[in-house]
Amino acid sequence: QLQLEESGPGLVKPSETLSLTCTVSGGSISSSNYYWGWIRQPPGKGLEWIGSIYYSGTTFYNPSLKSRVTIFVDTSKNQFSLNLSSVTAADTAVYYCGRGYTRGCGGSTCYPAWFDPWGQGTLVTVSS
Amino acid sequence: DIVMTQSPDSLAVSLGERATINCKSSQTVLYSANNRNYVAWYQQKPGQPPKLLIYWASTRESGVPDRFSGSGSGTDFTLTISSLQAEDVAVYYCQHYYTPSLTFGGGTKVEIK
Repeated sequence: QLQLEESGPGLVKPSETLSLTCTVSGGSISSSNYYWGWIRQPPGKGLEWIGSIYYSGTTFYNPSLKSRVTIFVDTSKNQFSLNLSSVTAADTAVYYCGRGYTRGCGGSTCYPAWFDPWGQGTLVTVSS
Repeated sequence: DIVMTQSPDSLAVSLGERATINCKSSQTVLYSANNRNYVAWYQQKPGQPPKLLIYWASTRESGVPDRFSGSGSGTDFTLTISSLQAEDVAVYYCQHYYTPSLTFGGGTKVEIK
């Protein structure tokens, strides 16, 4: 059974970079059938997709966060990671990682779809 | 970006009664080449991550009770719980995947009346 677990600092100072890692167990992150994604949820609010990465390195990012986000894969460790730079209090949220299915491929590019399963999430607070 | 608008924000339904949640997309999410609607539905219980219920607008995920069903096409979608159970108290979200820029609806909270 595939499991995902987020890890990283629970407290980040304003203007610094938030860094989280998702460790995948029970399956390979190199599978061509899946994307791997990050989604966040501010306290008491709804879900916001941050970005998704394919095992080959192809990435798609939320346009509103694109200038600050980097997602990358480490296939040797079966992990993928998120960097979010120049954080502010508005970035305080529970951050989830998830396995993303693909909705299909065009040429050499496959596209992300729904997420299943999700990690338990980790709360990151931005505060000095 | 495609905006997904859910309604109502919350609803209270008696046990055993039907709960209906609506989701409207700002543009069509029906891909005419395959006649598929690019919408998924999730359930999130307090303190838990979201759980996938439905994809392709109406395909129930394995293990999801058949009282949950998805319907709709184009820009208007519905998640129906045919007979509400106590364990269905949760927030429900729709999500499109018609473009690579994924977006979620704002969520609908379902409670027991």
